[in-house]
Amino acid sequence: GAGVSQSPRYKVTKRGQDVALRCDPISGHVSLYWYRQALGQGPEFLTYFNYEAQQDKSGLPNDRFSAERPEGSISTLTIQRTEQRDSAMYRCASSSDDSRGNEKLFFGSGTQLSVL
Amino acid sequence: SQKIEQNSEALNIQEGKTATLTCNYTNYSPAYLQWYRQDPGRGPVFLLLIRENEKEKRKERLKVTFDTTLKQSLFHITASQPADSATYLCALYRRALTFGSGTRLQVQP
Repeated sequence: GAGVSQSPRYKVTKRGQDVALRCDPISGHVSLYWYRQALGQGPEFLTYFNYEAQQDKSGLPNDRFSAERPEGSISTLTIQRTEQRDSAMYRCASSSDDSRGNEKLFFGSGTQLSVL
Repeated sequence: SQKIEQNSEALNIQEGKTATLTCNYTNYSPAYLQWYRQDPGRGPVFLLLIRENEKEKRKERLKVTFDTTLKQSLFHITASQPADSATYLCALYRRALTFGSGTRLQVQP
């Protein structure tokens, strides 16, 4: 597609349920990033991949959060046993360059997660 | 700890004036600094990248400066227009791109 696609656009779930958020990056983009953004704040880094390799997961809040990108394209961010504090906008971004600091990120529209 | 600070108060200016937004950082030695624009309900959009050996970068009505001694970047929009109203985010690279909290700019017609 022309841009980064995320699905679902909105996700409402009950506390304790698992959720899977999907990101389809721009075709051919090497790097893929997951961020979380609270209202009025900048995006908070969670994890990123170069191709299928997860390069850095230091931003994942705890072990309930995991991400994968098995074929170096589509990625899934999974949150197990969701809690109300997980409610936020989850954004995916992709880049045509490896992460060296000069890459330009293209963001998707995000998935708004609400945990009741 | 490493911090990126942007003015959390909204900046209100009159159309046609120059808007200046500030990004300060501590405990970083970034080789690059980026600026993004974010409109309500949308993802950030890349605007400009400036390298540590560049003092200034321009793109149309946008100008970015980068002072590694002061640990500060200034983002200028000249001849501002109501369509420039948005939140502007600066970002620095650590192990991945790390964003400030952004400054909301409101340009009054």
